[in-house]
Amino acid sequence: QQQVKQSPQSLIVQKGGISIINCAYENTAFDYFPWYQQFPGKGPALLIAIRPDVSEKKEGRFTISFNKSAKQFSLHIMDSQPGDSATYFCAARTTGTYKYIFGTGTRLKVLA
Amino acid sequence: DAMVIQNPRYQVTQFGKPVTLSCSQTLNHNVMYWYQQKSSQAPKLLFHYYDKDFNNEADTPDNFQSRRPNTSFCFLDIRSPGLGDAAMYLCATSREGPRANEQYFGPGTRLTVT
Repeated sequence: QQQVKQSPQSLIVQKGGISIINCAYENTAFDYFPWYQQFPGKGPALLIAIRPDVSEKKEGRFTISFNKSAKQFSLHIMDSQPGDSATYFCAARTTGTYKYIFGTGTRLKVLA
Repeated sequence: DAMVIQNPRYQVTQFGKPVTLSCSQTLNHNVMYWYQQKSSQAPKLLFHYYDKDFNNEADTPDNFQSRRPNTSFCFLDIRSPGLGDAAMYLCATSREGPRANEQYFGPGTRLTVT
């Protein structure tokens, strides 16, 4: 119940295309859902995050879609660029636990 | 710029030789975390501090210890590193309050065990 399932494991997208990464969870106590971007040899960087009281959040080319009833959330990268090639992790946590449950990661490659 | 700083960025130690990794933050966050990340895997939480309260994960080996002498600094001590402890070690911070807030990671320390 504490797991966050992430798919796909890897993704190849053409430059200018849309990258979509999906995550699903079971624990309805989760109330904060961040996405992290990690380049090789670097620490994860917070990309965008959402709380379950909204269904969508957009920051630049990055959008989180959140479906509370389905217990799913996804990251959409519009107009994908080669510089977006990285590993993306979704995560979830419950306020008060201070612990983040990470998905298994998606390795994105954007072809020039 | 406020940030999470980790030193050293690369550390080589010998099998069984104690090693200490350090983390400092200028964000004045009350929670600090240590994660272990192996190649192509998600970060794995080792432990975290809420202020001075230490919280150990049940599956964190006894070989791993931590100290937080003040708000800004946190240390990871590996008492007797084994080959399986070679990994990226990530420090992270967050400011906790009534609602969950953002967690920020440092650049990591790549540990090699020879």
